[in-house]
Amino acid sequence: AQSVTQLGSHVSVSEGALVLLRCNYSSSVPPYLFWYVQYPNQGLQLLLKYTSAATLVKGINGFEAEFKKSETSFHLTKPSAHMSDAAEYFCAVREYGGSQGNLIFGKGTKLSVKP
Amino acid sequence: EAGVTQFPSHSVIEKGQTVTLRCDPISGHDNLYWYRRVMGKEIKFLLHFVKESKQDESGMPNNRFLAERTGGTYSTLKVQPAELEDSGVYFCASSHTAGDYEQYFGPGTRLTVT
Repeated sequence: AQSVTQLGSHVSVSEGALVLLRCNYSSSVPPYLFWYVQYPNQGLQLLLKYTSAATLVKGINGFEAEFKKSETSFHLTKPSAHMSDAAEYFCAVREYGGSQGNLIFGKGTKLSVKP
Repeated sequence: EAGVTQFPSHSVIEKGQTVTLRCDPISGHDNLYWYRRVMGKEIKFLLHFVKESKQDESGMPNNRFLAERTGGTYSTLKVQPAELEDSGVYFCASSHTAGDYEQYFGPGTRLTVT
């Protein structure tokens, strides 16, 4: 069965510092991987996705993630944090079989950005 | 283009009562998904509609939950009777086809059962 593990339920960085949010997945088949972000009082918004093309994926708002098969990881990074990046971030893997589309999420990581 | 909308945004009910949540997907999106996040846990899949048909309801917790999608447009999720453990945030998402890699999520309905 597929699963997603996000290390760290809370991450705090200073404005301008590197953002690194960790995600490890478990899948017996090549996965489709996603990062979503949820700002307060809003729905989940897709940041970026990996669908078996380039292993380094660039998303919106300066975020990127690298798919590393050997490490079963898909960590999210941003070189310089901005106050507006404060939100909750979710890593997800698309489930194979079944209805072909439902997502399996990690528990989420809340990012705080200090001035 | 309007996004996915959900109503109500918040609902507080007593144990044993009935609540109905509504989701309006993006116009033209045949695929509609319901997810739920219980406090402190991950977002979990509940079910998937393709137009008006239930494609997969393997994530529905029990028979107190009933989902419908009238005419392939909006969907409702009814909880009857509600229990304390049903509290959480219920998200709806839609996509044009099941093969679409992006699901568009609504803001969620926060349900509190007291």
